[in-house]
Amino acid sequence: DADVTQTPRNRITKTGKRIMLECSQTKGHDRMYWYRQDPGLGLQLIYYSFDVKDINKGEISDGYSVSRQAQAKFSLSLESAIPNQTALYFCATSERTSEAFFGQGTRLTVV
Amino acid sequence: GDSVTQMEGPVTLSEEAFLTINCTYTATGYPSLFWYVQYPGEGLQLLLKATKADDKGSNKGFEATYRKETTSFHLEKGSVQVSDSAVYFCALPLDSGGGADGLTFGKGTHLIIQP
Repeated sequence: DADVTQTPRNRITKTGKRIMLECSQTKGHDRMYWYRQDPGLGLQLIYYSFDVKDINKGEISDGYSVSRQAQAKFSLSLESAIPNQTALYFCATSERTSEAFFGQGTRLTVV
Repeated sequence: GDSVTQMEGPVTLSEEAFLTINCTYTATGYPSLFWYVQYPGEGLQLLLKATKADDKGSNKGFEATYRKETTSFHLEKGSVQVSDSAVYFCALPLDSGGGADGLTFGKGTHLIIQP
C-alpha cells in the first residue's frame, strides 16, 4: 500500500458544488500538506497542518478549507467549486523540512 | 519570501546525452535544497537533497551541488536514459527563516529523452 493515499484519483464536478478530497498516510508524520499543481506553475501550497489542532493557511488558501480529523487524515474541501480550481491536487507529509512524501494526486475538473 | 527559478522546458535530449537543469534560489539563510521528480501519472518523489553549502546530493546517477556563492543547485547527469523522462522540480523550504512550513517549488522542467 502507498504511504500517502488520496481519494478520489479523478473527479469531475459542476460549478457551485461542494467537494471534498481526502488524504490518509501511514508514515506516522505529524505534518501534512495540500498542494495544487497547475501546468507551467509548479506546485503551490494551499494549507498545512502540524497536528490535529494546528491548521495554517498556505500561499493560495482562498476558496479552500481543510480538516485534520486525525494524525493520519487530512481532507481538503472546496465549498463552492469554480472552473479556475480545475487542477491536480497533491497531499504530502513530512517531518519538518526533511523529505516530503506525496500522494499520487487527485485530478479535479470543475465544469 | 524564498523562491526558486529553474529553466523551463521542455528539454529534449538523445539517450546517453549529458543533462543539466539549472536552478537558482533566493532565501534567507542557508536552507536545505531539494530536487523532486514526477513521472507520468504519479506524485512527486524526492530525487536528491543537500542540507548545507558545498554538499553534493546524488541518486540514480543524478547529482547537484549546493553553491552558496552563486545561489544555485543545478541538476546534472552524465548519461541520460529514456526512463529519465519526467518533470523535475527544484525546491526549498517556503520560509527558511522559520516561519511558514512547506516547500516552494520551481515551475518544473519537462525532460524528454529520445532513443
